[in-house]
Amino acid sequence: SQKIEQNSEALNIQEGKTATLTCNYTNYSPAYLQWYRQDPGRGPVFLLLIRENEKEKRKERLKVTFDTTLKQSLFHITASQPADSATYLCALEREYGNKLVFGAGTILRVKS
Amino acid sequence: DSGVTQTPKHLITATGQRVTLRCSPRSGDLSVYWYQQSLDQGLQFLIHYYNGEERAKGNILERFSAQQFPDLHSELNLSSLELGDSALYFCASSSRWREGRNYGYTFGSGTRLTVV
Repeated sequence: SQKIEQNSEALNIQEGKTATLTCNYTNYSPAYLQWYRQDPGRGPVFLLLIRENEKEKRKERLKVTFDTTLKQSLFHITASQPADSATYLCALEREYGNKLVFGAGTILRVKS
Repeated sequence: DSGVTQTPKHLITATGQRVTLRCSPRSGDLSVYWYQQSLDQGLQFLIHYYNGEERAKGNILERFSAQQFPDLHSELNLSSLELGDSALYFCASSSRWREGRNYGYTFGSGTRLTVV
């Protein structure tokens, strides 16, 4: 079965810096890779989706890269703010509309 | 408000009991997904329904079952509850057939189940 690895340790950064979160996967290459944000006790919120034939996607201060050779995605938040503090989840979808498999998530803490 | 409604928000019940969790997807969304999130397991996919039909199953226990009704709302039934079933249960819906393939899932706020 698919295994997804995200940094198990929390990432602590200073406000204004760029946060970079890593998602590594094994086995099959997903058709779609998604990133979500989750706050304590709340449901995940969709951020970005990138397809297997795309290298990079951007949305405002967010950027996602997808390297199917390395089996890795990087998620960047530029000019980070304390409000960006949350758990960020990487999720893989083998086929369109199929089940979405989530990683355990990485906790991001942005300090002012 | 994400547009996905889950009820109840909290549920406390005893071992051996049966409960039903309810989910109303965003208006127009045909797909409903159920996930379980516990502290030691993360988000685990349970089951996916599309327009009333089961489309995919995850590691859903036999004690758990789900269905999606003609009005597209879905129910997750958990029976013979055990202490280990205590978790957050999330429902998500997807509208990608309408909005295109650049969109992900929309999650509800979850039902916190505590089995005592």
